[in-house]
Amino acid sequence: DIQMTQSPSTLSASVGDRVTITCRASQSISSWLAWYQQKPGKAPKLLIYKASSLESGVPSRFSGSGSGTEFTLTISSLQPDDFATYYCQQYNSYSPFTFGPGTKVDIK
Amino acid sequence: QVTLRESGPALVKPTQTLTLTCTFSGFSLSTSGMCVSWIRQPPGKALEWLALIDWDDDKYYSTSLKTRLTISKDTSKNQVVLTMTNMDPVDTATYYCARSYDPHARPPFFDYWGQGTLVTVSS
Repeated sequence: DIQMTQSPSTLSASVGDRVTITCRASQSISSWLAWYQQKPGKAPKLLIYKASSLESGVPSRFSGSGSGTEFTLTISSLQPDDFATYYCQQYNSYSPFTFGPGTKVDIK
Repeated sequence: QVTLRESGPALVKPTQTLTLTCTFSGFSLSTSGMCVSWIRQPPGKALEWLALIDWDDDKYYSTSLKTRLTISKDTSKNQVVLTMTNMDPVDTATYYCARSYDPHARPPFFDYWGQGTLVTVSS
């Protein structure tokens, strides 16, 4: 199985900050990576797919980059609605699909 | 408008079998490239993918749980059912169903999710 790691596990930031979260895969997954945002008590929401494609309706302050084994999610100017936990997920091949452990973005 | 809704028991006893139903609308699981997955999340922990069924009735399972899981679909009812045998307290989690769609039938990401249903395993 492909293992996913994320760093940092927790990130404290202020409104307006530029925030970067890193996701690494244990083997190359080309660009088959998605990012999700999850708020407490809610289902995850798709933000980015194929490493850098922005899902419809997602604000343009979110962007993704990377390929192979290293990926980043960047929020260009953190907004109050962005305080949440972020997960990466690889979908390089059918089964199993794996998620990263999550990065919690909280208020500094 | 795509929607998914999970249903099933909120409480199961250890060793029992859990049966969860995902009822969806706004898409058809007979469309080429369409898939529905089950994903769970223990309280305070990360997401864990469990199983996927596709439009062609192909089924895929988590490596660590595959001996306990069965996924099936009823296309006419727009439902996907997951059964998990031999439930244990460590299986306490919120269980989500989620849709995937790729017109090229590539392995998918999850674009629509249900609200989730909390299942507690306790005697």
